[in-house]
Amino acid sequence: GDSVTQMEGPVTLSEEAFLTINCTYTATGYPSLFWYVQYPGEGLQLLLKATKADDKGSNKGFEATYRKETTSFHLEKGSVQVSDSAVYFCALSDPSSSGSARQLTFGSGTQLTVLP
Amino acid sequence: SQTIHQWPATLVQPVGSPLSLECTVEGTSNPNLYWYRQAAGRGLQLLFYSVGIGQISSEVPQNLSASRPQDRQFILSSKKLLLSDSGFYLCAWTKGGYEQYFGPGTRLTVT
Repeated sequence: GDSVTQMEGPVTLSEEAFLTINCTYTATGYPSLFWYVQYPGEGLQLLLKATKADDKGSNKGFEATYRKETTSFHLEKGSVQVSDSAVYFCALSDPSSSGSARQLTFGSGTQLTVLP
Repeated sequence: SQTIHQWPATLVQPVGSPLSLECTVEGTSNPNLYWYRQAAGRGLQLLFYSVGIGQISSEVPQNLSASRPQDRQFILSSKKLLLSDSGFYLCAWTKGGYEQYFGPGTRLTVT
């Protein structure tokens, strides 16, 4: 079945440091890939997405590139801010396995703390 | 634009009491709807999803149930809560694409 493996957390960085959160996936078909962010006490927000190989999703300074050859979708940001402190989830949706249900398969989440 | 609402925002209930959580979506029609649970410090567990009115699929066996009485309304229920039902309950929707959009969540504490 489909699965998503995320970098273990928690991750603690100083403000303006470079961020990478690793994400690799296993899927039977050609999935769409997503990063979601969850701030304390809130629901998940879609951060960025990529729907086919070599696509780059970007939003709010975050980027991730859909790498089919390495089955990866690593999240990066060049200079993190205190306000980026949150839990980040990598996810995929595989049409060949979810059909009309359009289910998402989530990674376990990575807690990011940015210190001033 | 589309908006998703959940209520209540927080709930404290004794063991053995009933539960009803509500989710509604505005600004779209015939969306797919989903209920997730997130235990403290854990990832997301898909509980139920629905692709249309009256159509419910359960992902895990438990004492919870779901119903979709109207196109944009999704309800999560229980007849008797367990301590293990405590958690953060999230509703989500999708239509057209594969990304899901989440509501603000309900924090349930069973005492």
